[in-house]
Amino acid sequence: SQTIHQWPATLVQPVGSPLSLECTVEGTSNPNLYWYRQAAGRGLQLLFYSVGIGQISSEVPQNLSASRPQDRQFILSSKKLLLSDSGFYLCAWTGPWNTEAFFGQGTRLTVV
Amino acid sequence: AQSVAQPEDQVNVAEGNPLTVKCTYSVSGNPYLFWYVQYPNRGLQFLLKYITGDNLVKGSYGFEAEFNKSQTSFHLKKPSALVSDSALYFCAVRDTGTASKLTFGTGTRLQVTL
Repeated sequence: SQTIHQWPATLVQPVGSPLSLECTVEGTSNPNLYWYRQAAGRGLQLLFYSVGIGQISSEVPQNLSASRPQDRQFILSSKKLLLSDSGFYLCAWTGPWNTEAFFGQGTRLTVV
Repeated sequence: AQSVAQPEDQVNVAEGNPLTVKCTYSVSGNPYLFWYVQYPNRGLQFLLKYITGDNLVKGSYGFEAEFNKSQTSFHLKKPSALVSDSALYFCAVRDTGTASKLTFGTGTRLQVTL
């Protein structure tokens, strides 16, 4: 069966520090991968999605970047965190076309 | 551009009563539609989906949703609400033309009381 791993679960980082959140998927190949941010327990904002290795689509201009160095690995990064980067970050994957998305457990990022 | 609207921030219902959580969508092609539920500090859990076929879709935990193409809606329903159904509910859409992109609504908080 397929599983998705996302870590860490919680993170407290100072303003100006770098960020790296990692997401990996097991039990499938060539997944579509997504990073979402959820602010204040409400709506999901699509940050990045990827349909293959090295293929990244950015939805919102921001202080973050994403990379997909391997087929089932998706990394969210920042060189210098801002206070506004605080939030709940969710990684998800889908198969091609009509399958539903499966989510990781999320990372609660607090920038102080 | 594809989009999803959930017009209600919160829905309140008494246990045992039917519930409806509204969702409308906009896509350029044919939609794939989904409902998810989120409990506090957790990831989203899949409830049900519409791909094609019967407009009434049945999913997990007694939930169902009705696809209405003319109204571009996909409302979530349950005949009898439970207190344990209280959570945040998200509607999502994928466009069959650009199937890689998955867009969510802003979420509706469902509060079920005794």
